[in-house]
Amino acid sequence: DSGVTQTPKHLITATGQRVTLRCSPRSGDLSVYWYQQSLDQGLQFLIHYYNGEERAKGNILERFSAQQFPDLHSELNLSSLELGDSALYFCASSLTGTSGRNEQFFGPGTRLTVL
Amino acid sequence: TQLLEQSPQFLSIQEGENLTVYCNSSSVFSSLQWYRQEPGEGPVLLVTVVTGGEVKKLKRLTFQFGDARKDSSLHITAAQPGDTGLYLCAGGKNYGQNFVFGPGTRLSVLP
Repeated sequence: DSGVTQTPKHLITATGQRVTLRCSPRSGDLSVYWYQQSLDQGLQFLIHYYNGEERAKGNILERFSAQQFPDLHSELNLSSLELGDSALYFCASSLTGTSGRNEQFFGPGTRLTVL
Repeated sequence: TQLLEQSPQFLSIQEGENLTVYCNSSSVFSSLQWYRQEPGEGPVLLVTVVTGGEVKKLKRLTFQFGDARKDSSLHITAAQPGDTGLYLCAGGKNYGQNFVFGPGTRLSVLP
């Protein structure tokens, strides 16, 4: 158990809908990272928040957004969902925002299925 | 274009055999991490290497960071079925840049 929690575990929805994925980092960690993993794309970095502020963006679509709250939990919002958004979404946390040498601990993921 | 490449992509071996998987890049990283991921679960951090030429051992697993900090290898001695999984390497650069993950090596150890 990494100490990172994600809810829900599974999510099934229809095209065009909007969903929110939630992540609670390990106790004491200030950084939260979101990743998307699909069979043909591997693990793709989406976005990084540190202590409530956005630090870096990766391959995140404009239909997707995220935020980190004062209690350090984070939410990833996915809107106007398409079939291709079906994937595993992982959250990871680390102690600081200095990602060059920082170890990331991953949650169990949310499996999103868009029908 | 993958910043990190991993080889082989797939590997199926018998229990007790030794194996080595590789992680290569044309970029220099300040650190490199190895993770193992089982189906439907999140990646689990195995090791972080930060110094060129560094070797770390974790029971039957030996990790090496290349002298130029552009590549790494993972050697498993006497593989066991419990070693089965997707092995991912991730390279980290300095402050402000995030980890880049390789596509992974999918290992299957048959009893």
